[in-house]
Amino acid sequence: NAGVTQTPKFQVLKTGQSMTLQCAQDMNHEYMSWYRQDPGMGLRLIHYSVGAGITDQGEVPNGYNVSRSTTEDFPLRLLSAAPSQTSVYFCASSYGAGEATDTQYFGPGTRLTVL
Amino acid sequence: AQSVTQLDSHVSVSEGTPVLLRCNYSSSYSPSLFWYVQHPNKGLQLLLKYTSAATLVKGINGFEAEFKKSETSFHLTKPSAHMSDAAEYFCVVSGQKLVFGTGTRLLVSP
Repeated sequence: NAGVTQTPKFQVLKTGQSMTLQCAQDMNHEYMSWYRQDPGMGLRLIHYSVGAGITDQGEVPNGYNVSRSTTEDFPLRLLSAAPSQTSVYFCASSYGAGEATDTQYFGPGTRLTVL
Repeated sequence: AQSVTQLDSHVSVSEGTPVLLRCNYSSSYSPSLFWYVQHPNKGLQLLLKYTSAATLVKGINGFEAEFKKSETSFHLTKPSAHMSDAAEYFCVVSGQKLVFGTGTRLLVSP
């Protein structure tokens, strides 16, 4: 049982480049989400999914796309990277279709730098 | 709407002394509250959660937190700090979505 895995661990991009951050979980969790963590700001929700084929926007969705074709995978796409997207990105999952009381399981993070 | 305020950005303690990390929340619902810990270069791990059962919640590694509705607080405590407790701690309130505090960095000196 690997839990929540994220790849890559580190990435450097140039402004305007696109890329996909990968997230996978092997716990058969319905709920998956992406957060970004910036100094002094805690974690902010980018996008989330309550099950395969269903996604929705979080607090800071601009510049990011997601899809959920399987229960296991929830990739995050940066369409045209900007320096403001320099951050640490965390993927999380939980059993329920909501997050009100469910424990979130976090991946180890992807540290992204946009030059 | 929910919000959470962590009152200290940094807390420094000596090994073996008590730990107190403060958290106040605002919620129009009966909230669920969580504390997560993040060790350097790691993901977040659940320490404990309150979901309207007992107001004193015990978590992993000797941590506990008390839900005080009258004070809208959910402070995290530990009787005796260990060097391995040095990390960043996040208080989280949940209604429809999770709302994270800005974090408290705990420093433990020998």
